[in-house]
Amino acid sequence: DVKVTQSSRYLVKRTGEKVFLECVQDMDHENMFWYRQDPGLGLRLIYFSYDVKMKEKGDIPEGYSVSREKKERFSLILESASTNQTSMYLCASSSPDSSNQPQHFGDGTRLSIL
Amino acid sequence: LAKTTQPISMDSYEGQEVNITCSHNNIATNDYITWYQQFPSQGPRFIIQGYKTKVTNEVASLFIPADRKSSTLSLPRVSLSDTAVYYCLVARTNSGYSTLTFGKGTMLLVSP
Repeated sequence: DVKVTQSSRYLVKRTGEKVFLECVQDMDHENMFWYRQDPGLGLRLIYFSYDVKMKEKGDIPEGYSVSREKKERFSLILESASTNQTSMYLCASSSPDSSNQPQHFGDGTRLSIL
Repeated sequence: LAKTTQPISMDSYEGQEVNITCSHNNIATNDYITWYQQFPSQGPRFIIQGYKTKVTNEVASLFIPADRKSSTLSLPRVSLSDTAVYYCLVARTNSGYSTLTFGKGTMLLVSP
């Protein structure tokens, strides 16, 4: 079974801090994704990566950056956290396949910015 | 990506069959229809995926008409543990990865 692990279930940070959210997958997947989930808005894609050191902007990349130095790890970075970045953050991974392999999600990090 | 429209909520009772219909009028030739399930405090979990006609697995069935502008997720004999949010999505493959656009989902409540 695919395992996507997010380093923290709950995190509280202060405005202006640099915040790192870590995600590790154990299935040797090429593709990794970061979403945020907010009530009434569903899940929105922030960034994704289809290979080591590669990244692509999703629908809402502003205020975020990512790092993919190793295949199994994909980090989301909030350069200067703001209160509107309080949210549930979900990481996912998938294998590259033309027949649309499903994404496997972690259980999320609930981030509060005070 | 094609926008999807599905009911905000549905109610059912244990043992009943539940059908959740999703519309995706602007679906493109390369798009697949995918359904995910999400429990509180967990990430979404893949249920089923299809391109056309009917797909069945151990959890659910997916019915897709010929024009592919809608799809129906069918859950046979639901139990209390099927209470969750169900997301209908279209997924487009781009040279080895697919991007997903989640809508607001359907909150299914199963009662005893």
